[in-house]
Amino acid sequence: DAGVIQSPRHEVTEMGQEVTLRCKPISGHNSLFWYRQTMMRGLELLIYFNNNVPIDDSGMPEDRFSAKMPNASFSTLKIQPSEPRDSAVYFCASSPPSGLSVGANVLTFGAGSRLTVL
Amino acid sequence: AQKVTQAQTEISVVEKEDVTLDCVYETRDTTYYLFWYKQPPSGELVFLIRRNSFDEQNEISGRYSWNFQKSTSSFNFTITASQVVDSAVYFCALSGSYNTDKLIFGTGTRLQVFP
Repeated sequence: DAGVIQSPRHEVTEMGQEVTLRCKPISGHNSLFWYRQTMMRGLELLIYFNNNVPIDDSGMPEDRFSAKMPNASFSTLKIQPSEPRDSAVYFCASSPPSGLSVGANVLTFGAGSRLTVL
Repeated sequence: AQKVTQAQTEISVVEKEDVTLDCVYETRDTTYYLFWYKQPPSGELVFLIRRNSFDEQNEISGRYSWNFQKSTSSFNFTITASQVVDSAVYFCALSGSYNTDKLIFGTGTRLQVFP
């Protein structure tokens, strides 16, 4: 398996521009998570989906952030408009159904998307 | 509410020393999972171990060992005979037992191993 695939790996944009981050989870995994990592705040959970349905979006900082999961193999995290304080590494992760006890609740992370907003 | 505390922000050791990374957690769940992840300088997050709350047996994997004590709500990680390649940020994390439960991370401990 190719693992969790995120794109782009690096994004540099100007304040006010729209940013879209993409994630392809591991096939067969039914939970998908978006985390943000900064020096100041560490690893923050932004939103997560189970069976393509958003379960908890309480970590989404504000209305400028939105996430979708139109199908089991694709998710996007969009920031519109972007601001310099959104600069961070954004990680996507997926985990298998709980019935698979060996991997239950074990998140596999993508390589991350490093976002810089100027 | 769930919470994970890693009080050690940064630890520096010399190669071959043993080092223990502390993790204390809070949860009201009776069934839960505890995890350790490693983030090397390259930036990816690598899964190391998952422990079920019903299993308090210590676990050893090569130079790595984990000590889980429910009585003190701790899940500490020891690296024996540390090596330079162990230099990384280590995160302790907690989740409920359901697939729909979220994973909460501690703030991480940066380990630097000097030759």
